[in-house]
Amino acid sequence: SAVISQKPSRDICQRGTSLTIQCQVDSQVTMMFWYRQQPGQSLTLIATANQGSEATYESGFVIDKFPISRPNLTFSTLTVSNMSPEDSSIYLCSVSAGREKLFFGSGTQLSVL
Amino acid sequence: DQQVKQNSPSLSVQEGRISILNCDYTNSMFDYFLWYKKYPAEGPTFLISISSIKDKNEDGRFTVFLNKSAKHLSLHIVPSQPGDSAVYFCAASARNRDDKIIFGKGTRLHILP
Repeated sequence: SAVISQKPSRDICQRGTSLTIQCQVDSQVTMMFWYRQQPGQSLTLIATANQGSEATYESGFVIDKFPISRPNLTFSTLTVSNMSPEDSSIYLCSVSAGREKLFFGSGTQLSVL
Repeated sequence: DQQVKQNSPSLSVQEGRISILNCDYTNSMFDYFLWYKKYPAEGPTFLISISSIKDKNEDGRFTVFLNKSAKHLSLHIVPSQPGDSAVYFCAASARNRDDKIIFGKGTRLHILP
């Protein structure tokens, strides 16, 4: 199993500002994933972060809006840029243990006013 | 287009009875299915999975049934306990999509005393 620490756990932000979410894993992992869960919606994959290369973004998500850093095998950040109320969501970091399962952080509850 | 559908946003079940959570999928390429459980302010945690070569997988009180012809799976919890109150996400993956996991919107299960 993997222990994932994610912070902040929640934040309230003004529109037009940016928030950086940090994710720390207790073991080295090749890929880290960032998900978003909008109210009443499913968990949606934003991007896959590989160490040493640019993140791979899913359809509908772009690097300018959600820049990701992956400086080493245990850490990643996701920035939500130029926020609007539509960005109010839970953002989740996760790592894979193969097809069997994903391990998730506790999430960041973001509210944009 | 929602490839994994959980049509019941919520479900209430008496403690000690069986809880049945349903999930439908549209992509016939999905070959691995998972259930995750999420408590408030926590990340989802893996519960149980099933490969498409099986039609049933059991783990303690939890059993997942897969009906490939109907593109339907269900999670049975018996007997239901108060600690089972949570949101349950159905998820699926396919080898030809790089094992990316697609989630449903979740079903909130309430276990009544």
